[in-house]
Amino acid sequence: DTGVSQDPRHKITKRGQNVTFRCDPISEHNRLYWYRQTLGQGPEFLTYFQNEAQLEKSRLLSDRFSAERPKGSFSTLEIQRTEQGDSAMYLCASSLLQTNEKLFFGSGTQLSVL
Amino acid sequence: KNQVEQSPQSLIILEGKNCTLQCNYTVSPFSNLRWYKQDTGRGPVSLTIMTFSENTKSNGRYTATLDADTKQSSLHITASQLSDSASYICVVSRFGDDKIIFGKGTRLHILP
Repeated sequence: DTGVSQDPRHKITKRGQNVTFRCDPISEHNRLYWYRQTLGQGPEFLTYFQNEAQLEKSRLLSDRFSAERPKGSFSTLEIQRTEQGDSAMYLCASSLLQTNEKLFFGSGTQLSVL
Repeated sequence: KNQVEQSPQSLIILEGKNCTLQCNYTVSPFSNLRWYKQDTGRGPVSLTIMTFSENTKSNGRYTATLDADTKQSSLHITASQLSDSASYICVVSRFGDDKIIFGKGTRLHILP
């Protein structure tokens, strides 16, 4: 499968625990995005990378959230001290830097914080 | 303010019928508009893209229109099938900084 893959698909955790999600983009794509989506809403932008550089972070990304893309390939999103409000689908997307770029999304990681 | 508004919020139609989903945006300057289909539990998948100079674009039974003057787009689905049940998200890109703004989507249910 040469699409965007995310791991795990589902994560259930207790409030206060740390969680880490991984995203493997399409191999030649240099842009990688993280979004959060709750039921009935469109995806909300969290952050994006161009190669290994994190170029933009949303104000939604509190200091409990950190994302990395150390080698410009896969990315991780870590949430520390999870809260019930963090429960959501976390979507990763990748694209080629070009005019009218199309985002290719992974299937997401569904996080449930109990 | 750069916003994308979609209507209706949800829609239920019978299999075989046609439907039209609406998208209004205030994103400026405009670069392009995409419609994505998102199946339950999956990530969105691009259906069509339209730039400023394009009025209509088709992808099988899906036809998107764009009126850049009124900043409105529509997605028309012809002869709906059960597999069309999904959320349809309108996404507008801003020219210059490539900022991508998502609508909240229209949830479409096709009944047999």
